[in-house]
Amino acid sequence: GESVGLHLPTLSVQEGDNSIINCAYSNSASDYFIWYKQESGKGPQFIIDIRSNMDKRQGQRVTVLLNKTVKHLSLQIAATQPGDSAVYFCAEINSGSARQLTFGSGTQLTVLP
Amino acid sequence: EPEVTQTPSHQVTQMGQEVILRCVPISNHLYFYWYRQILGQKVEFLVSFYNNEISEKSEIFDDQFSVERPDGSNFTLKIRSTKLEDSAMYFCASRQDPSGANVLTFGAGSRLTVL
Repeated sequence: GESVGLHLPTLSVQEGDNSIINCAYSNSASDYFIWYKQESGKGPQFIIDIRSNMDKRQGQRVTVLLNKTVKHLSLQIAATQPGDSAVYFCAEINSGSARQLTFGSGTQLTVLP
Repeated sequence: EPEVTQTPSHQVTQMGQEVILRCVPISNHLYFYWYRQILGQKVEFLVSFYNNEISEKSEIFDDQFSVERPDGSNFTLKIRSTKLEDSAMYFCASRQDPSGANVLTFGAGSRLTVL
């Protein structure tokens, strides 16, 4: 079946370095993608989103890149901070009326001092 | 900042018992959702709710599950007869109408432990 998934389950980076979290998706009909951050014991928190007609979108310290040719999504975090330690999920929105999210498996980002 | 609130934060129940999880979505949102996350796994869609009816549901959302919005404020998820495998974090989420943002805002979750 169609799904959204992540390449790596864990990622460790030094504080101050840049982080890149990758995600592969298989539903070519998805028209909207979102990155969520989930800290321990909390619900998913919106980070940044991108429409399928874009290939790059920047936020504060974060950039999302979308490559529709290879169905790949990435989240780049600049100058990673200890507070960035969390699980990061990519999610796609289906084109149905309810616009429900389908989440990937998640990548645990650990920021080392 | 507006937020989605969920109660209880943690509930422990015996297998076979009924459980009701409550959510207060953001006030001007019209689409409501329940998701669940089994420990260490990804967040899974359960059901979406709009205009006082279910708009979509997943295979997980079987006859043991039901949702309702009894008073225009609370959005509840009921599990009629809990099973061990229902143990998970249950997240409520809400979204503005279709002309608004696509982003779902999630609550902090309710942890359900079935013994």
